[in-house]
Amino acid sequence: SQQGEEDPQALSIQEGENATMNCSYKTSINNLQWYRQNSGRGLVHLILIRSNEREKHSGRLRVTLDTSKKSSSLLITASRAADTASYFCATDTGTASKLTFGTGTRLQVTL
Amino acid sequence: NAGVTQTPKFQVLKTGQSMTLQCAQDMNHNSMYWYRQDPGMGLRLIYYSASEGTTDKGEVPNGYNVSRLNKREFSLRLESAAPSQTSVYFCASSGSGTSAHNEQFFGPGTRLTVL
Repeated sequence: SQQGEEDPQALSIQEGENATMNCSYKTSINNLQWYRQNSGRGLVHLILIRSNEREKHSGRLRVTLDTSKKSSSLLITASRAADTASYFCATDTGTASKLTFGTGTRLQVTL
Repeated sequence: NAGVTQTPKFQVLKTGQSMTLQCAQDMNHNSMYWYRQDPGMGLRLIYYSASEGTTDKGEVPNGYNVSRLNKREFSLRLESAAPSQTSVYFCASSGSGTSAHNEQFFGPGTRLTVL
């Protein structure tokens, strides 16, 4: 079963706007990671946030984590057409470095 | 560095045929993984190998076998393919096996169709 559920399933915005996607999970975690998948490609790691962190930034990415609500959000600021992709959250529960992936958010950024 | 490589990129099988998907990484990672991705879904873990010489079942292991041939290579075998195994298969690896640094690196995928 999926540990993480992303919301929304699909998001369409214009270039320059911000994109926010959310992830909810079910069990306690050691860390939560976000990945991007371009169409037809493998996943690429974007950012990792540990369970004792509340917010993390990397370039135009901002991730928050609320362990009390078992949820995380990924904000992409000033989006570009090249940000068009699917975004997945993945949770690490500390079992042999396994990750459990959510169902993903498909982001479309139009010019 | 090639990262994680997978062969083949595409494969069509008939029901009942067998095949092996190959995966290799050149990052000296300890852990390797096999996932399947079905349309509109996230990745589901088939098998993983936390370190050379060990393999363990993931969420959906039925119908598959794996071999961790050495530290670099981790293969996935379908002994008798079924249409339900039509999917995109991804191999991944990660370094230390500790939660602090276990980001995974993915291969480009193998698109398998079983008729």
